[in-house]
Amino acid sequence: KQEVTQIPAALSVPEGENLVLNCSFTDSAIYNLQWFRQDPGKGLTSLLLIQSSQREQTSGRLNASLDKSSGRSTLYIAASQPGDSATYLCAVHPPNEKLTFGTGTRLTIIP
Amino acid sequence: ETGVTQTPRHLVMGMTNKKSLKCEQHLGHNAMYWYKQSAKKPLELMFVYNFKEQTENNSVPSRFSPECPNSSHLFLHLHTLQPEDSALYLCASSQESGSTSSYEQYFGPGTRLTVT
Repeated sequence: KQEVTQIPAALSVPEGENLVLNCSFTDSAIYNLQWFRQDPGKGLTSLLLIQSSQREQTSGRLNASLDKSSGRSTLYIAASQPGDSATYLCAVHPPNEKLTFGTGTRLTIIP
Repeated sequence: ETGVTQTPRHLVMGMTNKKSLKCEQHLGHNAMYWYKQSAKKPLELMFVYNFKEQTENNSVPSRFSPECPNSSHLFLHLHTLQPEDSALYLCASSQESGSTSSYEQYFGPGTRLTVT
C-alpha cells in the first residue's frame, strides 16, 4: 500500500528566503504527483501536477521536482512571502487507486 | 459561481440529527469525491462517483450516505453521527479519462462539521 510522508511537519523561515518542502512515497509506480496548498479552515488549492514522465514543473516562484526511482518530490519556493504561509500537501496517484495524501507541512513565513 | 462550491461552510449537529452536505462543481467534470480531513491525519477518501455511478466506498460507516443525482451535484447525508465524526469534509472533482494517467483534482472550501 502506498504511503506518503512529509517532513518536517512544520517549518518557519524569514521572509525573502528560498525554501524546500519534501515529500516521499513508498511505491515508485505512480501516474502523477500533485502539490496542494491549504489555508486554515479552507479547502485545497492545486499548485502543481507532475506526470510520471516528467522531472519537474514550474509555476511562478514555485518549482516542483519528481524523482520516481527514489520516491521523492520537492517543492521549491523562491523569495518567500508572508502570503505563502499555509499547509502544503503532496499527493500521489498510484495505478488503479485514488490519490494518496501526506499529512502536510505547515509553513510559516516570518515578516 | 466557478470551481467547486460547498454548503454549508459550518455545521453543528447533535448525534440524533439528520443533515446533508451539498457540493456543486461548475467545471464540467465527470467525477466527484468526498474526503474527510481530521486533525493530524492525512485526507481520507470516503466516496467516489464517476459518471454518477459510485465506484468506491472506502469502508465508510452507513451513517454517511452519499447521493449523486447528476454529474455536477453531490450530497452527503448524515444521520446519528458520533463526536469522532467531527472533521472538515471536502468535496473534489476531476475529469477522468480512459488512461487515468493525468487528472487534476479541484477541491471545494469544505464544510467544518462539529458533532455534539
